[in-house]
Amino acid sequence: GAVVSQHPSWVICKSGTSVKIECRSLDFQATTMFWYRQFPKQSLMLMATSNEGSKATYEQGVEKDKFLINHASLTLSTLTVTSAHPEDSSFYICNGAKVAGNTEAFFGQGTRLTVV
Amino acid sequence: AQKITQTQPGMFVQEKEAVTLDCTYDTSDPSYGLFWYKQPSSGEMIFLIYQGSYDQQNATEGRYSLNFQKARKSANLVISASQLGDSAMYFCAMREDRSGATNKLIFGTGTLLAVQP
Repeated sequence: GAVVSQHPSWVICKSGTSVKIECRSLDFQATTMFWYRQFPKQSLMLMATSNEGSKATYEQGVEKDKFLINHASLTLSTLTVTSAHPEDSSFYICNGAKVAGNTEAFFGQGTRLTVV
Repeated sequence: AQKITQTQPGMFVQEKEAVTLDCTYDTSDPSYGLFWYKQPSSGEMIFLIYQGSYDQQNATEGRYSLNFQKARKSANLVISASQLGDSAMYFCAMREDRSGATNKLIFGTGTLLAVQP
């Protein structure tokens, strides 16, 4: 199956700093990248949807100025958590999609962010 | 609006026995896909099985099978011959497949499965 490579797999940062998470589709073109957040013992919640070359669409309650998403190419999407705070500590995972009708959606390995 | 419900927060099963993880869904879209993922403690999302809304037969992938009952809007996962390595969180997810669009996955709350020796 197709591969989405997500880095870093874990990161610790100080409160107030910014963290960038990258997702690369290695053997397919991800026209759309979905970004999810998962708090401990909870389900995956969609944060935003990004399409290559256009602005991301954010879910209700997700601050677009805090979670900057860039999808500059068909193989790279990034999520930057700006001015991170301890409450942003979570598991972030990306999901690359080609077009509708795929029988499998391709997830990155996830990034565990801890803000201290 | 789409909705996925997993009513079992946790399940125990004896090694080598079969287990059924429940999933019900709600959608008004006639074309959709149903997915099951396994999430071990490492966090990665491992794709297990897919069922399309128009598929006539229940999907099977090795020890995994999906009991698809369209009229009841249920898509239960059956794991046969459970192994210790099956212990993980299991998520049911749905995607509405509108023509020409890539659509998001909506996840249930998950079921934590523990396989006992």
